[in-house]
Amino acid sequence: ELKVEQNPLFLSMQEGKNYTIYCNYSTTSDRLYWYRQDPGKSLESLFVLLSNGAVKQEGRLMASLDTKARLSTLHITAAVHDLSATYFCAAPWWFDQKLVFGQGTRLTINP
Amino acid sequence: GAVVSQHPSRVICKSGTSVKIECRSLDFQATTMFWYRQFPKQSLMLMATSNEGSKATYEQGVEKDKFLINHASLTLSTLTVTSAHPEDSSFYICSARRRGLAGRTDTQYFGPGTRLTVL
Repeated sequence: ELKVEQNPLFLSMQEGKNYTIYCNYSTTSDRLYWYRQDPGKSLESLFVLLSNGAVKQEGRLMASLDTKARLSTLHITAAVHDLSATYFCAAPWWFDQKLVFGQGTRLTINP
Repeated sequence: GAVVSQHPSRVICKSGTSVKIECRSLDFQATTMFWYRQFPKQSLMLMATSNEGSKATYEQGVEKDKFLINHASLTLSTLTVTSAHPEDSSFYICSARRRGLAGRTDTQYFGPGTRLTVL
């Protein structure tokens, strides 16, 4: 059974600071997804990481994947208030590709 | 990007009634759709995989007689919560899987969600 764990679960930080959210998964997976969720809303796709060593960047967010370590990271650079949201990572399970989600990281960025 | 819609976006019903939620892929055909449930401040939990033209596959612990899934066409899956009770109140999110072309990876697109409140 695939398990996906994120840490930290809660993160409060000041604008302008950098921080990293970690996502560990328990069994081999060839890809990893990152999503953003705003309160009361559905998921917004951020990144799809398809191979070992993959790195993708969009604005102040950068995601990476290490399939050997079964670890993905989401790095936030010079945080701004607009990035406040809950961030989920997810890995596909088996051939039917159903997604297993991490617990989510609730990020609050204070002015 | 591809669009997935859900209807209704919000529903309030009395205990004991049944509620149907629709999930549509608007600009692509989806042989597989997924239904998730999310309680407040929690993660998404997969309820079932909806397969066009065949029975849905339910995750362990999900009552198939209570959560009826019908995937009657390549663009529509429905989830019916039968005899709803207050503990069924939740945020229900569907996703539709779009097949990748020319060897590209498949992609899941998420609907906007349906908030169900059972009084």
